Amino acid sequence: VHLAESGGNLVQPGGSLRLSCAASGFTFSSYAMTWVRQAPGKGLEWVSDISGSGDSVYYADSVKGRFTISRDNSKNTLYLQMNSLRAEDTAVYYCAKGAGGYVVYYMDVWGKGTTVTVSS
Amino acid sequence: QSALTQPASVSGSPGQSITISCTGTSSDVDDYNSVSWYQQHPGEVPKLMIYDVTNRPSGVSNRFSGSKSGNTASLTISGLQAEDEADYYCSSYTSSSTVIFGGGTKVTVL
Repeated sequence: VHLAESGGNLVQPGGSLRLSCAASGFTFSSYAMTWVRQAPGKGLEWVSDISGSGDSVYYADSVKGRFTISRDNSKNTLYLQMNSLRAEDTAVYYCAKGAGGYVVYYMDVWGKGTTVTVSS
Repeated sequence: QSALTQPASVSGSPGQSITISCTGTSSDVDDYNSVSWYQQHPGEVPKLMIYDVTNRPSGVSNRFSGSKSGNTASLTISGLQAEDEADYYCSSYTSSSTVIFGGGTKVTVL
């Protein structure tokens, strides 16, 4: 089982970025997936998750209305579209696999993360 | 929603047992048996140590155990070893269909 994030970069405040997470080694469409972030020197913060079918999505209040989670089960890939980025969105973004198909009760596999820096 | 409450740090000598608490509310820890614990060494990826309050994934040492009483969950590390020095985070599913983490606890092996 392997998760590989990409797309992190330096972006100006107000800008946009799309993160990707390529999954392998398991039946991707059968599992809910999640994004978790960690600001420099800070703790873990849940960002968003999506059911295996993609029909149900959930967001943290801090990103609601700015971030959009999606998935392409034909490509075994998870996405996070981030708009209206703020300095406080600066963090390492981890993609993680949930243990069930509908909601993420816990994350049993994590990617290595991709770094997003929002700064002018 | 505020983070679950964890002590900032806990320490112990090799061989001792330590316990990390994780306090939530009736909307998360108290309402669901979906508390999990993650270990993170500096510069590394979080690793699942406990799920569904008491269950250990395959490969995790049986020195790690979890429990819950009301709105407080706990992680106990028995026979503390140098390799256990890391940050530990609790997490819970919530009534809003979201996930919430604790602020993290730094475990120091003296």
